[in-house]
This record gives sequence, C-alpha cells and structure tokens, in this order.
Amino acid sequence: AQSVAQPEDQVNVAEGNPLTVKCTYSVSGNPYLFWYVQYPNRGLQFLLKYITGDNLVKGSYGFEAEFNKSQTSFHLKKPSALVSDSALYFCAVRDPATDSWGKLQFGAGTQVVVTP
Amino acid sequence: GAGVSQSPSNKVTEKGKDVELRCDPISGHTALYWYRQRLGQGLEFLIYFQGNSAPDKSGLPSDRFSAERTGGSVSTLTIQRTQQEDSAVYLCARRERGESEQYFGPGTRLTVT
Repeated sequence: AQSVAQPEDQVNVAEGNPLTVKCTYSVSGNPYLFWYVQYPNRGLQFLLKYITGDNLVKGSYGFEAEFNKSQTSFHLKKPSALVSDSALYFCAVRDPATDSWGKLQFGAGTQVVVTP
Repeated sequence: GAGVSQSPSNKVTEKGKDVELRCDPISGHTALYWYRQRLGQGLEFLIYFQGNSAPDKSGLPSDRFSAERTGGSVSTLTIQRTQQEDSAVYLCARRERGESEQYFGPGTRLTVT
C-alpha cells in the first residue's frame, strides 16, 4: 500500500526567508511524487513532480523539491518565501508498480503562513 | 486554467435529499478522478474513469454514492439521501494520456443541513 505523511500541520516563515515543507512516503516500488498548492476557496494547483532522473526538480513559482530515496522524502523548498506563498500545500504519491490507474494518495496538507 | 470546470460551485441541501455534482474536463477524453476533501483534511479518492474501461469505484464510501461519465467526457457524481457527514468539497481532476500529474477543477462545496 502507498502512503504519504506531512509531519507539520503548519509552517510559519518570515518573508524573504527559506521555506521548507516536509513530506515522507511509503511505497513498495519506485514512487511518483507530486506537490500541489491550494489557495483559499480554490482547487488544487500542480506545482511539480518527480518521476525519474535528477533528484532535484524545479516547478512553478520558484519552488523546487528534492527526492531522497534513502530517507524516503520529497521535501518542497523555496529559497525566499513571499507573503503570496501563504496557502495549503499537499504532497501526493503514486506507486506505479501496484497502481495502473494513476490514483494519487495525498498527505493531510501543511498550512504555510508567510509573515511580512 | 486547469481545463476542468465543475458545477455548481456551492450547493446547500437538506439532509435526506439527493444531489448531483457535475464535472466537465474541457479537453475531453482524458482520465477523470473524483476526490472528496473534508474540512481541514486531505483528499480522499472516490472514483476513476478511463476511456471505455470499467470505472474504479473502490473509493466510494457507501452505496449512496454513484458516478457516471457519458461519452467519455462529462461526469456526474450523485449522492443519494445526503447525510451531514457528506458535507465537503468535491473535487474533480483530469489526467492526460501519457502524463502522470492531475489537474483539478475548482470544486463544489456541498453543505448538508
């Protein structure tokens, strides 16, 4: 079975400081990993994905994430946070070895609050 | 946008009534997923459609929930005899053939009173 954990309910950071949102996963095979962002009263927006290749992937709005197989992690990062980055962030995983339907297992979400 | 529209954006219904939620993956003929997001929680998978294959209904929480997809495009999620615990945001997503990521619609906020 596949699962994903976001250990922090909320992350607080000052504008201009680095932002990290943590995600760990559990799958039986090689994972497909995703990050989404949800602004208030909006649907989820795709940020980035890791399928294979370079462990550091770059996405929208200056975000990047690093796949670490030994630590089974896929943390989301941004070097300099903006107030407009305040939103709910979801990590998601798919195990292609066991799931041919493309279903995603989502974490519970991490609320990011960036203060001016 | 994400190429997915949903209607209505908000729905308030009385307990026991039936509701229909609509999803239109504008690009058509893609894989389509329904998820439920309860307040303060992550997304729960409900059902998946792909082409002419039988849908994956493994996530439907009870037999009060059903969904169909007509013509490989528009999908309708029906909840019969609604209960207060059905209150949530219902999200629809599409996935293009050969791609892994899903693109979400804005959701329908369902409130059962």
